[in-house]
Amino acid sequence: DAGVTQSPTHLIKTRGQQVTLRCSPKSGHDTVSWYQQALGQGPQFIFQYYEEEERQRGNFPDRFSGHQFPNYSSELNVNALLLGDSALYLCASSLAVRAGVNEQFFGPGTRLTVL
Amino acid sequence: LAKTTQPISMDSYEGQEVNITCSHNNIATNDYITWYQQFPSQGPRFIIQGYKTKVTNEVASLFIPADRKSSTLSLPRVSLSDTAVYYCLVGDRTNAGKSTFGDGTTLTVKP
Repeated sequence: DAGVTQSPTHLIKTRGQQVTLRCSPKSGHDTVSWYQQALGQGPQFIFQYYEEEERQRGNFPDRFSGHQFPNYSSELNVNALLLGDSALYLCASSLAVRAGVNEQFFGPGTRLTVL
Repeated sequence: LAKTTQPISMDSYEGQEVNITCSHNNIATNDYITWYQQFPSQGPRFIIQGYKTKVTNEVASLFIPADRKSSTLSLPRVSLSDTAVYYCLVGDRTNAGKSTFGDGTTLTVKP
């Protein structure tokens, strides 16, 4: 049973460029959430996708957008990159509705460096 | 979203019990309390989740008082491999992605 996978592992971009990060959820999961984690800080919620639609969004600008595909995989797109976008980007999957404990399973993350 | 407050860091020794307390004064009726563990350069890993009283699993216990304004994660007999950052989250269980991570507690276990 594969866990959450993310690609690429590392990425280096320059200011103003655009980037696309990819995530495959844990088998059987239908909800994908994206987080940004700056060095030394806790993960900050970007948005959540369910049924191919953005259901929840954190306090991030429109430069951050996403997509969920019919197979539940997801992409995070960031346009017009800023130096401050350098961070570890985490994908987490879960089940939208579930009795009992509802935990998120996190991937290993994509380390984005903006120069 | 309920804000959480945890100690920035804690030290312990191998074999000791560690208790990490989290304050969440503005917790809502529908909110659950969830704890995650994170090692460097890895994604957070679920430890335990609860709503009230006490929850225990194979790795930890979670104590939640009646007013639910705080919670305590208890790790029995820690080892060096328990050195990590521990996050307390409060949020609606069905909106798993909406829970807010704070800055966590860095636990250092010494030999």
